[in-house]
Amino acid sequence: GNSVTQMEGPVTLSEEAFLTINCTYTATGYPSLFWYVQYPGEGLQLLLKATKADDKGSNKGFEATYRKETTSFHLEKGSVQVSDSAVYFCALLWGPYKYIFGTGTRLKVLA
Amino acid sequence: DTAVSQTPKYLVTQMGNDKSIKCEQNLGHDTMYWYKQDSKKFLKIMFSYNNKELIINETVPNRFSPKSPDKAHLNLHINSLELGDSAVYFCASSQVPTGRSGNTIYFGEGSWLTVV
Repeated sequence: GNSVTQMEGPVTLSEEAFLTINCTYTATGYPSLFWYVQYPGEGLQLLLKATKADDKGSNKGFEATYRKETTSFHLEKGSVQVSDSAVYFCALLWGPYKYIFGTGTRLKVLA
Repeated sequence: DTAVSQTPKYLVTQMGNDKSIKCEQNLGHDTMYWYKQDSKKFLKIMFSYNNKELIINETVPNRFSPKSPDKAHLNLHINSLELGDSAVYFCASSQVPTGRSGNTIYFGEGSWLTVV
């Protein structure tokens, strides 16, 4: 079946470090791919998305490229800030309603 | 204006009680969802309604019953609450995509349910 696998956390980085959170997926057809962020005590917010192969989603310095050949959608940021500390979820949309989320990766950025 | 709003935000109740969580969206979306997030942050779909019709019903105990009076509202009623029901419940909505627009799903801020 369709699924999303993302790296286990927590990921702890110093401020201004480079961030990569890995995400791979299994799906039939051509799903859309998303990254969501959840700050403490809040709901999930869309961070970025890509709807077809080789698309790059970007927002707030974060980027992810839809790689069909490796079925991946890794999240990257060149220089993280303390305010980026949150839980990050990779997700895919398969069909009109079926959103499938990864298990989340907690990021902690130290000053 | 909050796009997806749910109430209450916090709920502490005793085992065996019945409780409801309400959800409303003002985005004009056709589809609404309930997700459960456990203590490890794992997010699991429970139900989905499209234009008031149930379209996704995952393996959820019968004690959980969703109700959609109109396409802007999806409420969750839980009977005979158990300790294991303690979690964060998220309401969400989306619009059925046309073509391959890959529409975004929008989440409410969550309802923290604690059963004691």
